[in-house]
Amino acid sequence: QSALTQPRSVSGSPGQSVTLSCTGTSSDVAGYNYVSWYQQHPGKAPKLMIYDVNKRPSEVPDRFSGSKSGNTASLTISGLQAEDEADYYCCSYAGSYTFLFGGGTKLTVL
Amino acid sequence: QLQLQESGPGLVKPSETLSLTCTFSGGSISSYSYYWGWIRQPPGKGLEWIGNIYYSGSTYYNPSLKSRVTISVDTSKNHFSLKLSSVTAADAAMYYCARLRGDFHWYFDLWGRGTLVTVSS
Repeated sequence: QSALTQPRSVSGSPGQSVTLSCTGTSSDVAGYNYVSWYQQHPGKAPKLMIYDVNKRPSEVPDRFSGSKSGNTASLTISGLQAEDEADYYCCSYAGSYTFLFGGGTKLTVL
Repeated sequence: QLQLQESGPGLVKPSETLSLTCTFSGGSISSYSYYWGWIRQPPGKGLEWIGNIYYSGSTYYNPSLKSRVTISVDTSKNHFSLKLSSVTAADAAMYYCARLRGDFHWYFDLWGRGTLVTVSS
């Protein structure tokens, strides 16, 4: 099992949209519709933002959306805001009750 | 209010066993739909899944750590525990416990604040 692949950093200006990618394999991302995304601010615990590829917890703004195509899952943040600046991690179910995280993407709001 | 709280020594000597406990408050750990997991994060690095346990005691571990990890649950105390043996400097990390939603979903929906573990003699 190898970690899912995420770009190290992504940036965008307030109001813009950004898309963060998460690439896996047929054994994880492509094999199951169980990709989740977590936001982590410095010194804080991760927070669930998206689950089951494209579902959003009620408390998460609808500016956050998720999708998947083949081996790659994506998190799109529209109407970027300063408070969105954080690290974002994807996670995929990998079968047999095991899980893989991505290496994380640092989102900078310019 | 649902909460998870990690506890345990913040300093472990090399070659010894790391032991942490996670206490769930505001609900029952004996829930049909949930598993209970441990995730760690070395300083400045990404998240790594360690393993999960169901209230019945069924356990599932990261293959890369399986030989050194034991996760257990005590439903009477509403907590679950992590033991990691033969620790080295590479095991120094923030350790998080989390609730894992199962039942045709798989995601970590509730996290503890984390506890920092240092490995040093």
